[in-house]
Amino acid sequence: DIQMTQSPSSLSTSVGDRVTITCRASQRISSFLSWYQHRPGIAPKLLIYAASRLQSGVPSRFSGSGSGTNFTLTISNLQPEDFATYYCQQSYDTPRTFGQGTELELK
Amino acid sequence: EVQLVESGGGLVQPGGSLRLSCAASGFTFSTYSMNWVRQAPGKGLEWVSYISSSSSLIYYTDSVKGRFTISRDNAKNSLFLQMDNLRADDTALYYCVRETRIPQSYYFDYWGQGTLVTVSS
Repeated sequence: DIQMTQSPSSLSTSVGDRVTITCRASQRISSFLSWYQHRPGIAPKLLIYAASRLQSGVPSRFSGSGSGTNFTLTISNLQPEDFATYYCQQSYDTPRTFGQGTELELK
Repeated sequence: EVQLVESGGGLVQPGGSLRLSCAASGFTFSTYSMNWVRQAPGKGLEWVSYISSSSSLIYYTDSVKGRFTISRDNAKNSLFLQMDNLRADDTALYYCVRETRIPQSYYFDYWGQGTLVTVSS
């Protein structure tokens, strides 16, 4: 199975900050990488697909980069609604593994 | 508008069975692959199972192989997950998820609200 390792596991941050979350795959996955936002009581939401493509309707302060084994999600100018848990996921092979999640907390 | 509505969750004893359903609307269901993803209490997201648009390809995570069966009825725009021999560690919120495929990637673009499965005596 392809292991997905996210860091950090949690991050204390403030409105207006810029944050970067990293995701490393245990083997090369090309651009088969997506990022999701999950807020309590709300269905997970697709933010980025194909490593760097912004899903329709997602604010441009979200961006993704990377290819192969190393990927990043960057959120610029954090807004109150961005405090949530973020997951990366590979779709290169089954099982479709997720990272363990990164929780953004209000400082 | 794409909608995925799960049902069928509930409380069941260890060793029991449940059948989850997902009613899809707002898109051509028969042309999309579908998945089930779950989240156990206090844990992260875990992919459970995949079914291709024509049901020709089916995959499961190792922990549910031989116990869970995914299926679909394209005529009724419905996805199912038959869960047998349930264990306490199957307790989770189960999401029905649509998968979109492009040459460069596959991704989960629509998620239902989830149905809660609790396995306990």
